[in-house]
Amino acid sequence: GDSVTQMEGPVTLSEEAFLTINCTYTATGYPSLFWYVQYPGEGLQLLLKATKADDKGSNKGFEATYRKETTSFHLEKGSVQVSDSAVYFCALTPGGYQKVTFGTGTKLQVIP
Amino acid sequence: KAGVTQTPRYLIKTRGQQVTLSCSPISGHRSVSWYQQTPGQGLQFLFEYFSETQRNKGNFPGRFSGRQFSNSRSEMNVSTLELGDSALYLCASSFRQGEGYEQYFGPGTRLTVT
Repeated sequence: GDSVTQMEGPVTLSEEAFLTINCTYTATGYPSLFWYVQYPGEGLQLLLKATKADDKGSNKGFEATYRKETTSFHLEKGSVQVSDSAVYFCALTPGGYQKVTFGTGTKLQVIP
Repeated sequence: KAGVTQTPRYLIKTRGQQVTLSCSPISGHRSVSWYQQTPGQGLQFLFEYFSETQRNKGNFPGRFSGRQFSNSRSEMNVSTLELGDSALYLCASSFRQGEGYEQYFGPGTRLTVT
């Protein structure tokens, strides 16, 4: 079945540091890939998405590129802020279906 | 547009009881999905409804059920509650956006079973 593997957290960074959160996936066909963010006490918010190979999703300074050859969708940000502290989930949906498979989540803590 | 709303936000029940959670999707969204989030198992897909029909189902026992009404609002029901059912239950609504689905999540219902 489909699966998503994320790097273990927590990740602790100083403000303005570079962020990478690794994500790899296993899926049949051509899934769509997503990054969601969950702030404390809240539901999930869609951060960015990519629907086909070599697509780059971007939002709020975060970027991720759909790499089919390495089945990866790593999340990056050039300069993190304290307000980016949250749990980040990599996820996929198989083509044509709504069932989302999530990774285990990576907690990011940014310290001033 | 108003976001996805879930009621109640918090719930405390005892073992053996049953519970019903409600989800109102974003206006115009016809698909509603439910997820269970726990520290141990992470986010797990429960089921998805579209136009009052269950289209997909996750790997949960039959105690977990749901339905969708003609106005797209959805309810999920858990019968004979167990301690392990304590979790954050998230609802998401979606529409087709380009070649990929985007799901918009509600704030969740925190269920505690004692």
